[in-house]
Amino acid sequence: KQEVTQIPAALSVPEGENLVLNCSFTDSAIYNLQWFRQDPGKGLTSLLLIQSSQREQTSGRLNASLDKSSGRSTLYIAASQPGDSATYLCAVRDDSWGKLQFGAGTQVVVTP
Amino acid sequence: DADVTQTPRNRITKTGKRIMLECSQTKGHDRMYWYRQDPGLGLRLIYYSFDVKDINKGEISDGYSVSRQAQAKFSLSLESAIPNQTALYFCATSDPSLGYNEQFFGPGTRLTVL
Repeated sequence: KQEVTQIPAALSVPEGENLVLNCSFTDSAIYNLQWFRQDPGKGLTSLLLIQSSQREQTSGRLNASLDKSSGRSTLYIAASQPGDSATYLCAVRDDSWGKLQFGAGTQVVVTP
Repeated sequence: DADVTQTPRNRITKTGKRIMLECSQTKGHDRMYWYRQDPGLGLRLIYYSFDVKDINKGEISDGYSVSRQAQAKFSLSLESAIPNQTALYFCATSDPSLGYNEQFFGPGTRLTVL
């Protein structure tokens, strides 16, 4: 059974510092890995999707890497802003039906 | 208008009551999913449906049932609610044109069972 772990569970950084969020998974036979952002009272917003054949994806200040063989993904957020405060979730798709296995998330606070 | 909507957004009920959570989507996606989120546990899959004739149990389906009334509507029912079903519930959809690689989530329903 796939296990997805996110460390740390919570993170607080001053504005301007780079954020590094980690996600690990136990079964490397995945289709893809997706990073989501969750704001209180709102649904999940997809940030980046990395296919199993890819090593990284970038969107603006966000960069996500994938090392499938070691079962790890890292989300980098450059020059953090208070608006980046949210919970970040990673999820892996490891079957043909499209079901996702989620980590518990990292709660991020960026202080002005 | 939001592509995936959930009603109600918040609900407080008592133990033993029957509750229905509804999900509607305007994205035209054929696959729909119900998840619950508990603090510290991430999202867990309750049920999923690939079309109106196909319903499948997820990781934690006990105590829940679903109905796919139409391609755009997927309802989750708690036949007799219990306090440990207090959670945040999310509906999601996915699309064959994207290879079912991405899921799109509704805003969630916060359910409290007293």
